[in-house]
Amino acid sequence: QVQLQESGPGLVKPSETLSLTCTVSGGSISSYYWSWIRQPAGKGLEWIGRMYTSGSTNYNPSLKSRVTMSVDTSKNQFSLKLRSVTAADTAVYFCARSRARLDFYYMDVWGKGTTVTVSS
Amino acid sequence: DIQMTQSPSSLSASVGDRVTITCRASQSISSYLNWYQQKPGKAPDLLIYAASSLQSGVPSRFSGSGSATDFTLTISSLQPEDFATYYCQQSFSTPLTFGGGTKVEIK
Repeated sequence: QVQLQESGPGLVKPSETLSLTCTVSGGSISSYYWSWIRQPAGKGLEWIGRMYTSGSTNYNPSLKSRVTMSVDTSKNQFSLKLRSVTAADTAVYFCARSRARLDFYYMDVWGKGTTVTVSS
Repeated sequence: DIQMTQSPSSLSASVGDRVTITCRASQSISSYLNWYQQKPGKAPDLLIYAASSLQSGVPSRFSGSGSATDFTLTISSLQPEDFATYYCQQSFSTPLTFGGGTKVEIK
């Protein structure tokens, strides 16, 4: 079955750019929405944004000025860049696949998550 | 943004209990409501989508109901593996938003 795996640096310095990649295995990346979600330690879930494999994106307005998502269909990967990070960006970052029944979208496959700490 | 409010934020229950968690949206979202279960150190797992549709492989003791602004997740007979945190999430419009979570603990 489809599996997702996040990868990237676990430590990022303040003001630098957080870069994460999600690798999709066991299935095609095409024709789905792919989301990034984060969760600070002990807190709830925050949706960062999503990308369709055509390249269209939706970003959370709270992060939109700092976020870029991209997809590489040849590698079955999609990526997140978050610029100008601060300690408030320290969290577990998850990637997830969105699929739909009729037009009801839901995130049915998630990566295990990767912890990113922002610290000098 | 659509605000999602869950209640209670935590509850204590015993194995075999019937448990109900509620989720309220700040505006009507029709049936664009999903429920997830998260265990410590793990990613969320989808339980219910479109307010009441059971995700494949999820035990039938889980059920969802509601529409517009008020939704409910019910566990008909709580099992030891159900002790976890539950989140609702609206897919009516972006930004997608989650409720604050309900932690189900052992009494």
